[in-house]
Amino acid sequence: QQQVKQSPQSLIVQKGGISIINCAYENTAFDYFPWYQQFPGKGPALLIAIRPDVSEKKEGRFTISFNKSAKQFSLHIMDSQPGDSATYFCAASMNTGFQKLVFGTGTRLLVSP
Amino acid sequence: SAVISQKPSRDICQRGTSLTIQCQVDSQVTMMFWYRQQPGQSLTLIATANQGSEATYESGFVIDKFPISRPNLTFSTLTVSNMSPEDSSIYLCSVPPFGTGSIYNEQFFGPGTRLTVL
Repeated sequence: QQQVKQSPQSLIVQKGGISIINCAYENTAFDYFPWYQQFPGKGPALLIAIRPDVSEKKEGRFTISFNKSAKQFSLHIMDSQPGDSATYFCAASMNTGFQKLVFGTGTRLLVSP
Repeated sequence: SAVISQKPSRDICQRGTSLTIQCQVDSQVTMMFWYRQQPGQSLTLIATANQGSEATYESGFVIDKFPISRPNLTFSTLTVSNMSPEDSSIYLCSVPPFGTGSIYNEQFFGPGTRLTVL
């Protein structure tokens, strides 16, 4: 119940294309869903996050789509660029206690020029 | 966002030895978190370090193996004790936003310490 399942494990997208990464969860008590971007040798950086009271959140080229009934959420990267090549982690947490984050397994994205 | 630094950035250690990792934050935060990221894997929470109290460990992690100190609101250390090759990982500290904590449960991560145990 504490797991967050992420797919695909790796993704290759042409420059200018759309990258889509999907996550699914079981625990209905989760109410905060962030996405983190990690470059090699760096710590994860918060990219964008959503609460379940909205179905979509967009920040620049990055969009989170959230389907509460299906317990799924996804990250869409529009107009993907080589600089977007990184590992992306979805996560989930409950808005209680000490804000523990449960991370997905990660998706290694490569955007080819 | 907080500025977080970790020392060392990387180390290579012999099995059976211990390594202490430092995490320094540029602002006072109530909670600090320690994560482990094994090679090619996701992040797993080791423990939560609150200033003035014992750290809270997640299932599968024990204080004897990963003792944590939290002497003040800007600093914490994680020790990896009696290391084995299975401890080779990236160790990361993270903090919530400065102040009372965002309602969005954001966390900001340090750059990590890459540990290799031979």
